[in-house]
Amino acid sequence: GAVVSQHPSRVICKSGTSVKIECRSLDFQATTMFWYRQFPKQSLMLMATSNEGSKATYEQGVEKDKFLINHASLTLSTLTVTSAHPEDSSFYICSARSGTGGRETQYFGPGTRLLVL
Amino acid sequence: TQLLEQSPQFLSIQEGENLTVYCNSSSVFSSLQWYRQEPGEGPVLLVTVVTGGEVKKLKRLTFQFGDARKDSSLHITAAQPGDTGLYLCAPTTYDSWGKLQFGAGTQVVVTP
Repeated sequence: GAVVSQHPSRVICKSGTSVKIECRSLDFQATTMFWYRQFPKQSLMLMATSNEGSKATYEQGVEKDKFLINHASLTLSTLTVTSAHPEDSSFYICSARSGTGGRETQYFGPGTRLLVL
Repeated sequence: TQLLEQSPQFLSIQEGENLTVYCNSSSVFSSLQWYRQEPGEGPVLLVTVVTGGEVKKLKRLTFQFGDARKDSSLHITAAQPGDTGLYLCAPTTYDSWGKLQFGAGTQVVVTP
């Protein structure tokens, strides 16, 4: 299957700082990528849809000014958590969509563990 | 937003036993994907089902898509400790633009 990478895999930061997480599709181009957040012992919650060359689409309840998404190329999307606070500590996972015409599949990155002190 | 139910939430079984996980909704799905996630990792795609009534097999795993495309099941035969993980169903609907809305997940623990 297709490979998606995330960087960093783990980050610890102080409250009030900003953190950037990268999501890359390594062997395919993805016009659409997705960002999810997962709290301990819970399922994945979709945060936003990242579209190459256009603004991201955020799910209800997700602050677009706090979670900045940039999809500057067909293989890279970034999520920046601005002014991070302890409640933003979570497991952030991206996925990249491959295929077209009803035969699309989402491939997930390995996730980024964020801890805000 | 569709109401998606996944059951059971937790399943602990002995090696060699069988298990079934269910994913149900009141909405019609255009497709449904099953993933397995291990701690600290991203979900790994197991299968995609598209056609109502479809049955797919992946070694000891059998996936079934309901005739009406509103539900799906995952059956594991002779479970092994390596099957331990969080099993997630993620359907797409015709109006979801390809977005996945995950079920709550079923945590499966297989003990030797």
